[in-house]
Amino acid sequence: QKEVEQNSGPLSVPEGAIASLNCTYSDRGSQSFFWYRQYSGKSPELIMSIYSNGDKEDGRFTAQLNKASQYVSLLIRDSQPSDSATYLCAVNLADSSYKLIFGSGTRLLVRP
Amino acid sequence: GAVVSQHPSWVICKSGTSVKIECRSLDFQATTMFWYRQFPKQSLMLMATSNEGSKATYEQGVEKDKFLINHASLTLSTLTVTSAHPEDSSFYICSATRTDRGGSNQPQHFGDGTRLSIL
Repeated sequence: QKEVEQNSGPLSVPEGAIASLNCTYSDRGSQSFFWYRQYSGKSPELIMSIYSNGDKEDGRFTAQLNKASQYVSLLIRDSQPSDSATYLCAVNLADSSYKLIFGSGTRLLVRP
Repeated sequence: GAVVSQHPSWVICKSGTSVKIECRSLDFQATTMFWYRQFPKQSLMLMATSNEGSKATYEQGVEKDKFLINHASLTLSTLTVTSAHPEDSSFYICSATRTDRGGSNQPQHFGDGTRLSIL
């Protein structure tokens, strides 16, 4: 059973702080990793994708990947109350099926 | 780019009614689409993989005769909840992958979801 694990939270940070969200996965053959943001009552929205080891930055977001440790993280700098949402980590299966395995999500709360 | 449209956004109907939900990829071809269900405060649950021109692949525990999936074109997949009952009330979300770009490393792009309430 391929799995993606996330801490359910809530992770509470003050406005302006760095929020750090973590994810581990079990399928060593996975090559593609994604972070989605889901506001309450809404569908998930893609915010970052990463395919290679190291860091990838996009605005206030930085995704980090370590395939050897099977670990993916998302950093949100200068956190804003509007960042309060559930963040889903998703990992592709190595079977080329286009299927993603989603973690259960980490709820982030940014306090004004 | 990579816009996925889902319709309707919400449905309220009587028990026993069948409900059809449409999922369209607006600016790309998607030979593969996915259908998810999400109950309040729970994570996404993959129901099935919709394959253009062939039968859908259902996840374990999902009744294929209850949740009919049709993927007749490269941009449209439909999910029909047959003889819906109150326990089928949920948030149904489709997603599509840009398979025209090749490789299995493409993300899934989600529709806005359909909130289904069965009375």
